[in-house]
Amino acid sequence: DSGVTQTPKHLITATGQRVTLRCSPRSGDLSVYWYQQSLDQGLQFLIHYYNGEERAKGNILERFSAQQFPDLHSELNLSSLELGDSALYFCASSGLSTGTDTQYFGPGTRLTVL
Amino acid sequence: GDSVTQMEGPVTLSEEAFLTINCTYTATGYPSLFWYVQYPGEGLQLLLKATKADDKGSNKGFEATYRKETTSFHLEKGSVQVSDSAVYFCALINRGGADGLTFGKGTHLIIQP
Repeated sequence: DSGVTQTPKHLITATGQRVTLRCSPRSGDLSVYWYQQSLDQGLQFLIHYYNGEERAKGNILERFSAQQFPDLHSELNLSSLELGDSALYFCASSGLSTGTDTQYFGPGTRLTVL
Repeated sequence: GDSVTQMEGPVTLSEEAFLTINCTYTATGYPSLFWYVQYPGEGLQLLLKATKADDKGSNKGFEATYRKETTSFHLEKGSVQVSDSAVYFCALINRGGADGLTFGKGTHLIIQP
């Protein structure tokens, strides 16, 4: 158990809908990273928050957004969903925002868009 | 941009065989390098890491050495077990960690008894 929690575990929805994925980092960790894992694109970095502030964006679509709240949990919002958005979404947390710190991954949310 | 290349597999070995999974990278600056493992239906777990050239990361019998001259971070284990069957990801992080991990495509390892 990494100490990172993600809810829900599974999500099935229809095209055009909007969903929210939730991530709670390990106790004391300030950084939250979001990743998407799909068969064709592999694991891709989406966005990084540190202590409530956005630090960096990766391959995140404009239809996707995220935020980190004062209690440090983070939410990833996916809107106008398309079939191609079906994937596993992971969040990871780390204590700092440096390149040497280990990122601990949650169990993921599997999103299926029908 | 940064990139990681690794053999995709599947790689099938017999129990107690020697394992090597190759990983090479392209990056500006001085990245930190990682191997993560993903068991079926689970998230990624850190297996080992190295943060500077010539560092050797090791854990659970696995080891990898950060080779700057060959831009490589090959994963090795002397004697694999059935329980090592999983997908292994090589990854790097750069720019002080802001940009998140860049992953290879993963290597599916199957160990047969």
